[in-house]
Amino acid sequence: DAGITQSPRHKVTETGTPVTLRCHQTENHRYMYWYRQDPGHGLRLIHYSYGVKDTDKGEVSDGYSVSRSKTEDFLLTLESATSSQTSVYFCAISEFFPGPDTQYFGPGTRLTVL
Amino acid sequence: QKEVEQDPGPLSVPEGAIVSLNCTYSNSAFQYFMWYRQYSRKGPELLMYTYSSGNKEDGRFTAQVDKSSKYISLFIRDSQPSDSATYLCAMNSGGYQKVTFGTGTKLQVIP
Repeated sequence: DAGITQSPRHKVTETGTPVTLRCHQTENHRYMYWYRQDPGHGLRLIHYSYGVKDTDKGEVSDGYSVSRSKTEDFLLTLESATSSQTSVYFCAISEFFPGPDTQYFGPGTRLTVL
Repeated sequence: QKEVEQDPGPLSVPEGAIVSLNCTYSNSAFQYFMWYRQYSRKGPELLMYTYSSGNKEDGRFTAQVDKSSKYISLFIRDSQPSDSATYLCAMNSGGYQKVTFGTGTKLQVIP
């Protein structure tokens, strides 16, 4: 998985609790992304980062926040988890050479919110 | 209407068959087209990417883009059981633009 790890790989939590997912890369890629994958929706971008402390929202960012204090780590926080946030979360990284925005994905975190 | 449409399948074929996977899109600004393969409970992995129109071949895989029809295809020759996976198309307009993904087509190659 191109030097990308995600932790935890599985998590069950209760509605209303905060949850933090971690993505760690060893590729020194500039861009990092958080997606969620749900049946019928495919992969949807939550947030992305284009450098340390530089982040921006994706198409489904409500209820999520991110932080990137080091090149290699990108954290996704669910501020108060809801059942609609039950999903599989993927981290991805990209660099611009050899092509545009070709992304490499981590193994995913399966999150269940009860 | 979604920007990228992809038949979810499942598509079942016998081993050795030629497989055709397709996506249509509506955004004429898309210039870069990618295919990802995703095994069950794994992250997507990049198979191929192409720029603009034309064909690109890599082993048993051929990616084809027809920008005039807003239609892209992935062909798999001599399909193997190990090709059983979900195939996602993806595209963007380049530069710092976000990537838009199809919902994926599930392929099963039967021995």
